[in-house]
Amino acid sequence: LAKTTQPISMDSYEGQEVNITCSHNNIATNDYITWYQQFPSQGPRFIIQGYKTKVTNEVASLFIPADRKSSTLSLPRVSLSDTAVYYCLVEGSGGGADGLTFGKGTHLIIQP
Amino acid sequence: DGGITQSPKYLFRKEGQNVTLSCEQNLNHDAMYWYRQDPGQGLRLIYYSQIVNDFQKGDIAEGYSVSREKKESFPLTVTSAQKNPTAFYLCASRDRGISSYEQYFGPGTRLTVT
Repeated sequence: LAKTTQPISMDSYEGQEVNITCSHNNIATNDYITWYQQFPSQGPRFIIQGYKTKVTNEVASLFIPADRKSSTLSLPRVSLSDTAVYYCLVEGSGGGADGLTFGKGTHLIIQP
Repeated sequence: DGGITQSPKYLFRKEGQNVTLSCEQNLNHDAMYWYRQDPGQGLRLIYYSQIVNDFQKGDIAEGYSVSREKKESFPLTVTSAQKNPTAFYLCASRDRGISSYEQYFGPGTRLTVT
C-alpha cells in the first residue's frame, strides 16, 4: 500500500496561492491520487483527483511529476473559508480498501 | 438529490450497551465504508463492503459489526466489546468502476458513551 506524507500544518493569507505537497514514494501503476477537504464535524469532501501531469477544476489544480512519487495541490487565491484539513490519498480502483488510509492531513489556516 | 445520509447526528449511550448507526445512500454505489475519527486524528477504516451480502474488516474492526443486506444500506453496530467507542463516525460510498475513485461521505454521527 502506498503511504503518503504531507505537512502537519500550513499558514497563509487571504488572496494568496497555497501549495500543499504530498509524498507517495510507493505509488503503484494503477493508483490515482486524490485530495479531500474536511471542515470540523463534517465528512471529507472530494476536491480533485489525478493520475499524471496536471489536472485543474473550478477549485484547485493538481500537479503530478512524471515519476508520480509526489503531488502538489494548488489552491488559487485562498479565502478564510479555505481553512480546513486537507488529506492526500493514493487510491486503487475497484471499490476495495487499497490506499484508504487518511493520515492526519494538513491543517491549513488562512489569516485575513 | 443524491447523497448519503447518516442518522442520528448525535448519539448518547451508556457503557455496556450496543448501538447501531445508520448509513443510507441513493447513489447506486456498490462499495460502502465506515470510518472512525478521533479528535485531531485522521480517519481509520472500520469495515467496508464492495457488494451486497459481503463485507471485509478494515484496520480497526474489533468491537464493531456490520451488515449489507441492501445495496442502499450499511449499518454499523458498536458493541459493548469496543473499549473506547466515543468518536465521530463517518460513512462513505463509491462506485466500483475503474473510472471513478471518489468517495462520497455522509455528515457523520458523533457517538458519546458514558
